[in-house]
Amino acid sequence: EAGVVQSPRYKIIEKKQPVAFWCNPISGHNTLYWYRQNLGQGPELLIRYENEEAVDDSQLPKDRFSAERLKGVDSTLKIQPAELGDSAVYLCASSLGVRGANVLTFGAGSRLTVL
Amino acid sequence: DQQVKQNSPSLSVQEGRISILNCDYTNSMFDYFLWYKKYPAEGPTFLISISSIKDKNEDGRFTVFLNKSAKHLSLHIVPSQPGDSAVYFCAARPRQGAQKLVFGQGTRLTINP
Repeated sequence: EAGVVQSPRYKIIEKKQPVAFWCNPISGHNTLYWYRQNLGQGPELLIRYENEEAVDDSQLPKDRFSAERLKGVDSTLKIQPAELGDSAVYLCASSLGVRGANVLTFGAGSRLTVL
Repeated sequence: DQQVKQNSPSLSVQEGRISILNCDYTNSMFDYFLWYKKYPAEGPTFLISISSIKDKNEDGRFTVFLNKSAKHLSLHIVPSQPGDSAVYFCAARPRQGAQKLVFGQGTRLTINP
């Protein structure tokens, strides 16, 4: 079974440019998450989807960040315009969204460098 | 505010010995705790979890202990192997249906031959 697939793996852009990240979750996982991991820190939640509905986007900087999950499967995260402080690894994860530990399965991440 | 804290950024242990990674939390409303392991250029992978109603969970070489009164949990790895060298993240799940995880800052474990 394929895991969570993310692309691109690496992206280098200049500030004020736009950038987009794509995520394909594990088949059958209805809950999808975007996390941001800054250097030396743990992942921080940006947005969580239940199917196609964004149910927790309180940490998403809405002035420049946007996300969508059309048809409740793939998702894209966009930053426009990018700032120097956006340099980080953007992690996508998915889960069954069931009771219990609700283990999240993460993709390899997309490392963004803003110059 | 940092609800989940890992106060040791790094830990170095000799191969074959016990590795103990620590985690503290401030929110009494967490109902599950998980440990994730992360290799460079890979995403975090799930290692082991524990429910807040238990105080110990064991899986092979990995054991997690939970001390609710101290709001502290620890991950024990015995015996430590070179392949255990990675960054370990403690994570906690808020109660009442919230499906997200709150992560600590991570501890880099290095196993020396």
